[in-house]
Amino acid sequence: ELKVEQNPLFLSMQEGKNYTIYCNYSTTSDRLYWYRQDPGKSLESLFVLLSNGAVKQEGRLMASLDTKARLSTLHITAAVHDLSATYFCAVDFASKLTFGTGTRLQVTL
Amino acid sequence: KAGVTQTPRYLIKTRGQQVTLSCSPISGHRSVSWYQQTPGQGLQFLFEYFSETQRNKGNFPGRFSGRQFSNSRSEMNVSTLELGDSALYLCASRTANTGELFFGEGSRLTVL
Repeated sequence: ELKVEQNPLFLSMQEGKNYTIYCNYSTTSDRLYWYRQDPGKSLESLFVLLSNGAVKQEGRLMASLDTKARLSTLHITAAVHDLSATYFCAVDFASKLTFGTGTRLQVTL
Repeated sequence: KAGVTQTPRYLIKTRGQQVTLSCSPISGHRSVSWYQQTPGQGLQFLFEYFSETQRNKGNFPGRFSGRQFSNSRSEMNVSTLELGDSALYLCASRTANTGELFFGEGSRLTVL
């Protein structure tokens, strides 16, 4: 059974500082996705990572994938309040997504 | 381009009743997946349909069922509702090239 672990589960960030969320998974897969969820809302697609070494950037967020280490990271540069949300990684395996537990980000002044 | 549409958005049922949720995928998407989200279990895969055929199923009891129509619209049904079925049910349609899933707003089910 595929396991997807995210850490940390909760991250209190100061505005302007950099942080990283880690996503480890237990089975070989070369498709990984990052989603954002605001309270009471649905999942918004952030990044699609389709191969080893893939790196995608959008604004203050950058995601990367290392399929050999079975690790993806989501790096936040100079955090701002608008980034406060819960972030999920999801591994695509056997035609279904297995989600991590989510990382709740809270940005404070 | 319209996104994934789910109806109803909110509903309240009592134990033992059944419920049907509907999902219209993004135009041109033939794959529809359903996920359950609860605070305790997180996001869990229910099933996936492609061209009216169930392609994959998660670890849920037989009370959870679904189907897909020829226009790619999908429904899921939960019979004999239990308190633990209270959750946000998310439908997603998938692109053929990257496999990216786009989620609807969800149907929030409360079972009393």
